Amino acid sequence: EPEVTQTPSHQVTQMGQEVILRCVPISNHLYFYWYRQILGQKVEFLVSFYNNEISEKSEIFDDQFSVERPDGSNFTLKIRSTKLEDSAMYFCASSGGTGSQYFGPGTRLTVL
Amino acid sequence: GNSVTQMEGPVTLSEEAFLTINCTYTATGYPSLFWYVQYPGEGLQLLLKATKADDKGSNKGFEATYRKETTSFHLEKGSVQVSDSAVYFCALLTTDSWGKLQFGAGTQVVVTP
Repeated sequence: EPEVTQTPSHQVTQMGQEVILRCVPISNHLYFYWYRQILGQKVEFLVSFYNNEISEKSEIFDDQFSVERPDGSNFTLKIRSTKLEDSAMYFCASSGGTGSQYFGPGTRLTVL
Repeated sequence: GNSVTQMEGPVTLSEEAFLTINCTYTATGYPSLFWYVQYPGEGLQLLLKATKADDKGSNKGFEATYRKETTSFHLEKGSVQVSDSAVYFCALLTTDSWGKLQFGAGTQVVVTP
């Protein structure tokens, strides 16, 4: 069964450093998303991406964040200058347009 | 604004007991409703969904019915197993968004032998 994959599973970084989280969505999907879950809190929407553009973004997704689909298979989330409060589990998801989103296993980001 | 409210956990049950997790929502229009499950150490898995009023989603013995009159989407399973121990998330998707799923806080379920 096709699945969304994410790398790395755990990323540790120093405050102020740039990080790139990588995702490989399900191959025939066209809609891509990033969510995050701070420990003990709700899963929060960050951004949706379709046709090489951001479709919608939340207020969390400020200028420090960017997304890219650099090739036909990868979808990345970049955080330019990490802050302590960016520590969270980041989930990538993809959809084929039916409304159902399929999530990856997540990347745990720890900012020290 | 749109929101999802779930019953607080943890919910602790014995094997073969009946499980209900309450979920209510606030939304404009006619959202689609989802249940996701997160097993320990894993990501979110889509469990079931319903896209319009009175639809029943079902999967792996779990069921939920979209009740517009009570704005609810309660998850039920008739006989739980230890392997059902997980965190369950209710979520909604409104028609005016580009796929922004809005999640409830999650309900942890612990099933003991």
